[in-house]
Amino acid sequence: DAGVIQSPRHEVTEMGQEVTLRCKPISGHNSLFWYRQTMMRGLELLIYFNNNVPIDDSGMPEDRFSAKMPNASFSTLKIQPSEPRDSAVYFCASNSDGLTEAFFGQGTRLTVV
Amino acid sequence: QKEVEQNSGPLSVPEGAIASLNCTYSDRGSQSFFWYRQYSGKSPELIMSIYSNGDKEDGRFTAQLNKASQYVSLLIRDSQPSDSATYLCAVRARTYKYIFGTGTRLKVLA
Repeated sequence: DAGVIQSPRHEVTEMGQEVTLRCKPISGHNSLFWYRQTMMRGLELLIYFNNNVPIDDSGMPEDRFSAKMPNASFSTLKIQPSEPRDSAVYFCASNSDGLTEAFFGQGTRLTVV
Repeated sequence: QKEVEQNSGPLSVPEGAIASLNCTYSDRGSQSFFWYRQYSGKSPELIMSIYSNGDKEDGRFTAQLNKASQYVSLLIRDSQPSDSATYLCAVRARTYKYIFGTGTRLKVLA
């Protein structure tokens, strides 16, 4: 099992540009989570999908952020336009229904200059 | 009140000692509780899960859960320098979201 796969691992972009982060969950998992991690705020949940449907997007900071899950094996998190304060590590995690743990991808380190 | 609270540390313990990490949560309906370890620049990895009141032991790690007090703890016995990391407490709430604390940084001094 390859685990949760995220791309790119690192992204440096200029303020105002569009950024798209990608995630492939573990096969068979039907819940997917996007988190953002900063030193100041820790690991914040941005959005949660279940069976490809967004269930809770209350953590999405602004309308500049959007997320999609067109099928069970792929999700994107898009920031348009990006701002320096969006600089953080973005993690994707997945799990199967139930009460078990979430498995994390390696993260995407985003730097907006 | 934050949904999951942890002391940010750093918590420094000498090698071979017991490290005690604590976490409180606000949602009484939470059902699943987890401890993740995160090394600098890496992703969180699960080290313990606990679902019912009491203690759960796995090697040098013991997780303790007290739902009445809304309290979860992690004990690391015989601490090693390789245990130096940030430990994240996570709670799976009734809404099925995983909510994380901000983490406690542990330093094990050789």
